[in-house]
Amino acid sequence: DAGVIQSPRHEVTEMGQEVTLRCKPISGHDYLFWYRQTMMRGLELLIYFNNNVPIDDSGMPEDRFSAKMPNASFSTLKIQPSEPRDSAVYFCASCSGTGGPNTIYFGEGSWLTVV
Amino acid sequence: RKEVEQDPGPFNVPEGATVAFNCTYSNSASQSFFWYRQDCRKEPKLLMSVYSSGNEDGRFTAQLNRASQYISLLIRDSKLSDSATYLCVVLQGGKLIFGQGTELSVKP
Repeated sequence: DAGVIQSPRHEVTEMGQEVTLRCKPISGHDYLFWYRQTMMRGLELLIYFNNNVPIDDSGMPEDRFSAKMPNASFSTLKIQPSEPRDSAVYFCASCSGTGGPNTIYFGEGSWLTVV
Repeated sequence: RKEVEQDPGPFNVPEGATVAFNCTYSNSASQSFFWYRQDCRKEPKLLMSVYSSGNEDGRFTAQLNRASQYISLLIRDSKLSDSATYLCVVLQGGKLIFGQGTELSVKP
């Protein structure tokens, strides 16, 4: 398996622009997570899905952030409008958890810079 | 108080040294525990799970003390390639909560 695939790997955008990050989880995994990592706050869970349904979005910073999972093999995280403080690495991760999330596998991350 | 707390380091040790990392968690109902390793500009990867009885994987030993809500990772005979950030991770209410990580730098 190719692992969790994220795109773009790097993005530099101007403040106010819409940013869309994409993720393809490992085939067969029924949990998908979006994390954000910064030096100041470390790795924070933004939202996670189970069987394509959002379970917990309490980590989503504000209404400018939205995430969707239209099917088992694709998810997006959208920021509109983007702000400089959104600059971070955004990781997508997935796992198979009959009893709940366990060992999760991360993608290589999307490195976002908002100027 | 953070849900998962770690000493951020950095820990600078010579090759061959033994180094120990500690982690505390705030929620006594936490279910499972892990150590992840993250190399610079890379994604976190599972290093090992942590079991109540303690477990060992080669040079790495993990311990869990539920009463004290404390997790540890011991690295023996450290190698240059062990240089990375080590993340303590707790499964809590169906969510994996990550500590900020402890940076390790192993020097020749």
